[in-house]
Amino acid sequence: EPEVTQTPSHQVTQMGQEVILRCVPISNHLYFYWYRQILGQKVEFLVSFYNNEISEKSEIFDDQFSVERPDGSNFTLKIRSTKLEDSAMYFCASTLTSGVFNEQFFGPGTRLTVL
Amino acid sequence: AQKVTQAQTEISVVEKEDVTLDCVYETRDTTYYLFWYKQPPSGELVFLIRRNSFDEQNEISGRYSWNFQKSTSSFNFTITASQVVDSAVYFCALSEAGNNAGNMLTFGGGTRLMVKP
Repeated sequence: EPEVTQTPSHQVTQMGQEVILRCVPISNHLYFYWYRQILGQKVEFLVSFYNNEISEKSEIFDDQFSVERPDGSNFTLKIRSTKLEDSAMYFCASTLTSGVFNEQFFGPGTRLTVL
Repeated sequence: AQKVTQAQTEISVVEKEDVTLDCVYETRDTTYYLFWYKQPPSGELVFLIRRNSFDEQNEISGRYSWNFQKSTSSFNFTITASQVVDSAVYFCALSEAGNNAGNMLTFGGGTRLMVKP
């Protein structure tokens, strides 16, 4: 069964460093998402991406963040100059179309720890 | 704007007890989807169920059942004869047809279920 994959599973970085979180969505999917979950809190939407551009972003997704689909398979989230409060689990998701009746498939997450 | 509320932050039961997790949602859309996800200690999000706004039939899957009531904007989840392996955080989520982000999900705060042997 096709699945969304994410690498690395755990990333530790120093405050102020840049990190890139990688996701490989399901191959024929067209819509991609990043969500964030701070430890012990709810899952929050960060950004959605379609046709090589951001279609929607939350207020969390400020200039510190960027997303990219550098090739036909990867979907990346870059966090510049990381802060302690960026420590969280980051989930990638993908879906075939934008229709509300289409299931969103989640990856296993990347746990980011900023020291 | 959409909102999902899970008023129970933590529930503790003894194995074999039945337990109901509450979910109340707010939306102005008439077309939407409701979801339940399970998050075990390992951290991944496990999809449990999806329900569309036009189908209020209750659903049963093994020990799991869901009660969708549009009149009270609730989508409650019941686990019958709970087991230790059911211990996890459970999230209710909403996806609206009218948002611009495709089917972006809005999650509730989660309910931590602890099933003791």
